[in-house]
Amino acid sequence: KAGVTQTPRYLIKTRGQQVTLSCSPISGHRSVSWYQQTPGQGLQFLFEYFSETQRNKGNFPGRFSGRQFSNSRSEMNVSTLELGDSALYLCASTPGQGNAGANVLTFGAGSRLTVL
Amino acid sequence: DAKTTQPNSMESNEEEPVHLPCNHSTISGTDYIHWYRQLPSQGPEYVIHGLTSNVNNRMASLAIAEDRKSSTLILHRATLRDAAVYYCILRPYNAGNMLTFGGGTRLMVKP
Repeated sequence: KAGVTQTPRYLIKTRGQQVTLSCSPISGHRSVSWYQQTPGQGLQFLFEYFSETQRNKGNFPGRFSGRQFSNSRSEMNVSTLELGDSALYLCASTPGQGNAGANVLTFGAGSRLTVL
Repeated sequence: DAKTTQPNSMESNEEEPVHLPCNHSTISGTDYIHWYRQLPSQGPEYVIHGLTSNVNNRMASLAIAEDRKSSTLILHRATLRDAAVYYCILRPYNAGNMLTFGGGTRLMVKP
């Protein structure tokens, strides 16, 4: 079956602009979570959506937002970009129900954002 | 959040077994132990997970200490394609997908 698809794979923006990243989860998966990966901070949780509702949120400023559509596809948006937002943004999906501890995350290849 | 501690890096020879340790002394009774790896320029991929008993799958084996305060990921025969950063993560049963990744162990495989 198709994996998690993230678009675009690479993009370059300038400070002050905004960006929207898209994630299509595995078919049937209802939970989508987003992570930011930088060389300095490693992998950090941004937020999770389940059935169009934000279920968990990490410690990021309000410039970072997301949403999930009825078909489980998700988008994340970063407004007023800063140089420090340059990172690999990863999306992961799971079925989202049942014992979370046993659920396996399937990650996409990520969207690499460069802010100039 | 319960935390994990892993060595920053390890080196192995190709076709030899590799034992990647992880300490998680503050693990709670309902935390699952998950291992993911991240190859260069890719997203993390699932390797294996367990709760109390040792686990085997086609990729690796997971040995969990009796007190569950540590675990070891075992790659039975390392290949060059196993060179990656390996992350040991604790997953509570009720925290959704809000995972805490540490720095992981960078595994280097020598031919």
